[in-house]
Amino acid sequence: GENVEQHPSTLSVQEGDSAVIKCTYSDSASNYFPWYKQELGKRPQLIIDIRSNVGEKKDQRIAVTLNKTAKHFSLHITETQPEDSAVYFCAASNPSGGYNKLIFGAGTRLAVHP
Amino acid sequence: DAMVIQNPRYQVTQFGKPVTLSCSQTLNHNVMYWYQQKSSQAPKLLFHYYDKDFNNEADTPDNFQSRRPNTSFCFLDIRSPGLGDAAMYLCATSPVYQETQYFGPGTRLLVL
Repeated sequence: GENVEQHPSTLSVQEGDSAVIKCTYSDSASNYFPWYKQELGKRPQLIIDIRSNVGEKKDQRIAVTLNKTAKHFSLHITETQPEDSAVYFCAASNPSGGYNKLIFGAGTRLAVHP
Repeated sequence: DAMVIQNPRYQVTQFGKPVTLSCSQTLNHNVMYWYQQKSSQAPKLLFHYYDKDFNNEADTPDNFQSRRPNTSFCFLDIRSPGLGDAAMYLCATSPVYQETQYFGPGTRLLVL
């Protein structure tokens, strides 16, 4: 089955710097890669996702890149702000049969210091 | 606003005492998921429903069961909770054949 590895487990940056979180996956059939942000005690919130027919996607300060050959994808956050502090999870899946089983990475705790 | 609602937000139970967690949705989504998230870990899928069709993950303990009486509601039953079952339980929904999942706020379960 699919296995997703995520690095680093913790990341500390100064406000205004960029943050990069990387994930690798094992199943070449995976074709959907979402990123979730989870603040302490709150629900995971989808912040961006990418499908395997696209190499890069950007939404304001966040972007995701996908390298299908190498089976890795990354989240890039530019001009970080203290409110970006949270745990970020990557996930991979191969939606089929009408549903979508997400396999999550272990998470990255991002701290943005003012 | 259309949303995914979980009740209660916090649940305390005793070791071995059955407990039921509930999830409701106003999104009219066909698919509902239950995840278990232990402290500082990633969410782990327990099972999902595609309409009334129930799908159990291979490594979901027998202690966990689920019911979906209608499109809007889904329940997670833990028959005999152990200390290791203390976790956040997240419900999520998605439209059929669409990838995006919408999560509820979760129920934090404490087992004494």
